[in-house]
Amino acid sequence: AQSVTQPDIHITVSEGASLELRCNYSYGATPYLFWYVQSPGQGLQLLLKYFSGDTLVQGIKGFEAEFKRSQSSFNLRKPSVHWSDAAEYFCAVVVKWSAGNMLTFGGGTRLMVKP
Amino acid sequence: DTAVSQTPKYLVTQMGNDKSIKCEQNLGHDTMYWYKQDSKKFLKIMFSYNNKELIINETVPNRFSPKSPDKAHLNLHINSLELGDSAVYFCASSLPGHSRGTQYFGPGTRLLVL
Repeated sequence: AQSVTQPDIHITVSEGASLELRCNYSYGATPYLFWYVQSPGQGLQLLLKYFSGDTLVQGIKGFEAEFKRSQSSFNLRKPSVHWSDAAEYFCAVVVKWSAGNMLTFGGGTRLMVKP
Repeated sequence: DTAVSQTPKYLVTQMGNDKSIKCEQNLGHDTMYWYKQDSKKFLKIMFSYNNKELIINETVPNRFSPKSPDKAHLNLHINSLELGDSAVYFCASSLPGHSRGTQYFGPGTRLLVL
């Protein structure tokens, strides 16, 4: 069965510093991969997605992620973190059904930003 | 012009009660979902409907019954609420197939069972 692992439960970075959030997946076929962000008390917002093609994908809010098949990873990066980026980040993979697409989520990484 | 909306936003109730959460999407999507987020922020799929037809039913107690009156609505009814049902419930929607799984989430319903 497919699974998604986010090894870091909490990460703290200083404002202006670079960020990398790790995500590893276990899935037999080519995965469809996603990063979502959840601000405190809010729903989930899609940051970016990977389906195929260029392994470096750009998302909203200055985020990017790189798909590395050899490492089964899809790490999220941002060159300079802003205080408003403090949130919970979820990596997810789609298991494709015939009509619906079921997202399997990692456990999430809580990002805290120091001033 | 909210894309995916849920009501209520907060729900506090006693054990044993029956309650419903409503979800509506105005994106014209064919597929809708319910997810449960527990106190540790872990998100898990509960149900998926495509064109009002149940597609996915994960291991969920049969006290939970989704109902889809049309493809823009997917409601969640919960009977005999238990303490362990306390969680945040998210509705989502997507286009099947071609969109390859991009899902749009509602703001969540925070359920507290006392």
